[in-house]
Amino acid sequence: AQSVAQPEDQVNVAEGNPLTVKCTYSVSGNPYLFWYVQYPNRGLQFLLKYITGDNLVKGSYGFEAEFNKSQTSFHLKKPSALVSDSALYFCAVRGVNTGGFKTIFGAGTRLFVKA
Amino acid sequence: DAGITQSPRHKVTETGTPVTLRCHQTENHRYMYWYRQDPGHGLRLIHYSYGVKDTDKGEVSDGYSVSRSKTEDFLLTLESATSSQTSVYFCAISESSSGGSSTDTQYFGPGTRLTVL
Repeated sequence: AQSVAQPEDQVNVAEGNPLTVKCTYSVSGNPYLFWYVQYPNRGLQFLLKYITGDNLVKGSYGFEAEFNKSQTSFHLKKPSALVSDSALYFCAVRGVNTGGFKTIFGAGTRLFVKA
Repeated sequence: DAGITQSPRHKVTETGTPVTLRCHQTENHRYMYWYRQDPGHGLRLIHYSYGVKDTDKGEVSDGYSVSRSKTEDFLLTLESATSSQTSVYFCAISESSSGGSSTDTQYFGPGTRLTVL
């Protein structure tokens, strides 16, 4: 069965510092991996996606994520956090050979960036 | 929000009453999804549609039904609302459902906050 874990309910970081939001997954075969961000009273916005190829994926707003197959992880990173990055972040996974209706979302990690 | 609207945005109703939520898209995407978002659970799929009049159940479909009579509209109905259905409901769309291209990325509407008293 597919699953995704976001081990931290909240991440706190000072503005200008690097940030990491962690995600680990379990899926049969190769995965498609996604990160979404949710601002207050808004829907989820797509940030980035890993399909295949380069393990480092670059996305919107300066975010990037690194796919690590041996550790089954897909951590979201940004070199320098902004206060405006404060939001709820969701990691999602599905198997390559399954449909989008099989996308599994993590419980979410709230990022708080302090000025 | 990628040409997706949801109505109503907020609703308060009483236990036992029927409720219908509407999702409308202007992207002409084939696939549409209904999720619910609850603290500690992330998003869970309720139902999805892979075309007009073609729908199927997700992981938390009990107590919900859906209909899709037009490409652009996907309706979620709670036949008899219960307090456990208090949640935030999100509609999502995707151009395709499988494959490695950008076309299977899901895009989300703004959500409907439903409170069942």
